[in-house]
Amino acid sequence: GAVVSQHPSWVICKSGTSVKIECRSLDFQATTMFWYRQFPKQSLMLMATSNEGSKATYEQGVEKDKFLINHASLTLSTLTVTSAHPEDSSFYICSAREAGGFGDTQYFGPGTRLTVL
Amino acid sequence: GEDVEQSLFLSVREGDSSVINCTYTDSSSTYLYWYKQEPGAGLQLLTYIFSNMDMKQDQRLTVLLNKKDKHLSLRIADTQTGDSAIYFCAESRSMEYGNKLVFGAGTILRVKS
Repeated sequence: GAVVSQHPSWVICKSGTSVKIECRSLDFQATTMFWYRQFPKQSLMLMATSNEGSKATYEQGVEKDKFLINHASLTLSTLTVTSAHPEDSSFYICSAREAGGFGDTQYFGPGTRLTVL
Repeated sequence: GEDVEQSLFLSVREGDSSVINCTYTDSSSTYLYWYKQEPGAGLQLLTYIFSNMDMKQDQRLTVLLNKKDKHLSLRIADTQTGDSAIYFCAESRSMEYGNKLVFGAGTILRVKS
């Protein structure tokens, strides 16, 4: 149980285009989903926390107009990188916290590798 | 400080025990976690420990918690080559908008056959 999927697993796009990444909880309902960014050989950097049906809370230094997050249902959250530039290239990982689950346990998706040319 | 700290690298021989250490910062953390990340993949929840426990054992994994020193460790018995990965400890931290996990930098475990 507690499976989280992400789509796509990798994407290459041109500078200036927008890219949407989907995060789905497959076998549980997620009241809260999280979006992280991970640079090579580094830890995870939390970008934002999203609760179903409400606006996302962004961490300091993360541009909310650049990284649009929508959490429209209890099983789906999307991250859209708008007007992507090469510096946005990174590994993006989502996680989900189960409604009524124990503690603050987060279940992670497999990640999406974004390369902006 | 604000950071969760971990040793960066550990190399062991197959069959030996591995011990990965972590120091966290928030004494009010209710749960502490260990996650495993294999190359190019997301994080897999390995185990967790509730803050009122000193030790938790789950098959080859043993977690020790020293609340006084805010020290957490993960011991992997009979380490196998498949255990080679990055291991992250994480503490649960309370924020105005809800709780979030704060991760250490990760410990790279290399298992030599």
